[in-house]
Amino acid sequence: GENVEQHPSTLSVQEGDSAVIKCTYSDSASNYFPWYKQELGKRPQLIIDIRSNVGEKKDQRIAVTLNKTAKHFSLHITETQPEDSAVYFCAPSFSGNTPLVFGKGTRLSVIA
Amino acid sequence: KAGVTQTPRYLIKTRGQQVTLSCSPISGHRSVSWYQQTPGQGLQFLFEYFSETQRNKGNFPGRFSGRQFSNSRSEMNVSTLELGDSALYLCASSLAPSGGGYEQYFGPGTRLTVT
Repeated sequence: GENVEQHPSTLSVQEGDSAVIKCTYSDSASNYFPWYKQELGKRPQLIIDIRSNVGEKKDQRIAVTLNKTAKHFSLHITETQPEDSAVYFCAPSFSGNTPLVFGKGTRLSVIA
Repeated sequence: KAGVTQTPRYLIKTRGQQVTLSCSPISGHRSVSWYQQTPGQGLQFLFEYFSETQRNKGNFPGRFSGRQFSNSRSEMNVSTLELGDSALYLCASSLAPSGGGYEQYFGPGTRLTVT
């Protein structure tokens, strides 16, 4: 099965700084790469995703980059704000026949 | 559109009992996945149902089971509860199987405490 690792497990940044979270996966056939955000006491929500035929995708202050050769993809958050404080999960998948496998999460704290 | 709903929201059971949790997906969604969330372990996949068929099962003991009804509502059952089953149980619905690149919409979860 797919092995997924996220680094770092915790991250503290000053407000306005950038944050980068990396997700490494084992299945070279994986073709779908989403990131979910879970605020304290709330449900996880998809914030951005990318497919294997695209190297980078941006949505305002967040971006995801994919390196298929090295089998990792990263979440980039620029100009961080206190509301970015949450746990972020990556969940790569191979196909519709296999479920998403979530990483263990990265707790991001943005210090005002 | 109404979101994913889960009932009950909170549950306290004792060891050895069994429990049934319910999940109602977003209207039109045919795929329902269940996850166990505990501190430090992230979201661990339990099972996924699509059109009343179990498509995938995670690495959990046979005490964990589930089913999906014709209206896409899903239930999961845990028999012979153990202290280690205390967790937040999340369900998520999507238009089609989750691995196919369809966004998963999560419910609020059921907080199960086993004493």
